[in-house]
Amino acid sequence: AQKITQTQPGMFVQEKEAVTLDCTYDTSDPSYGLFWYKQPSSGEMIFLIYQGSYDQQNATEGRYSLNFQKARKSANLVISASQLGDSAMYFCAMREAHTGTASKLTFGTGTRLQVTL
Amino acid sequence: GAGVSQSPSNKVTEKGKDVELRCDPISGHTALYWYRQSLGQGLEFLIYFQGNSAPDKSGLPSDRFSAERTGGSVSTLTIQRTQQEDSAVYLCASSLALAGVIYEQYFGPGTRLTVT
Repeated sequence: AQKITQTQPGMFVQEKEAVTLDCTYDTSDPSYGLFWYKQPSSGEMIFLIYQGSYDQQNATEGRYSLNFQKARKSANLVISASQLGDSAMYFCAMREAHTGTASKLTFGTGTRLQVTL
Repeated sequence: GAGVSQSPSNKVTEKGKDVELRCDPISGHTALYWYRQSLGQGLEFLIYFQGNSAPDKSGLPSDRFSAERTGGSVSTLTIQRTQQEDSAVYLCASSLALAGVIYEQYFGPGTRLTVT
């Protein structure tokens, strides 16, 4: 079974609108962390936001927020007030604590977001 | 401050040759990771270092792949007898590592390897 599933290969959003990128995950570990990264066309991976499995509140970082629904095992990224510079690939990733808190990230296949005028 | 650096940024090699890819992590980051990203794909984990030891080598695709880390800093990923399927972008990441705390990983710009 896929550990991280991103079902939207591509998304379009108009500038200044909000957009939600979906991510579901699969783990039996009670302790885990969920991450979102942005990869522009230049190729670098940019860390956006982190949510711990025991965090009571949804994570927020500026225009990014994470809609964490633990029972549904979903961790959707919400980008508010989209900007042209948000056009990129977005990857959801998970680290499971039973493999060590410094262990590898498991990535989804990504969603390509295109922001239009 | 300085981020993760990787060299070379691009490498073109002939099938059968050996290549070495270098990663210089963020100063103070004891954890170092290598990932591979094939065209249009997500990231595939290769190996993880904690200090100079590698607790997890489970992602190395074959015995042609090896990596080492010296002085708890620079790491080298070596691919012997390269094959065309090794063509990909090789990404290095580093993070802090304290017991019980999950930190984000910071990525370098990658090395694009092309095997002809």
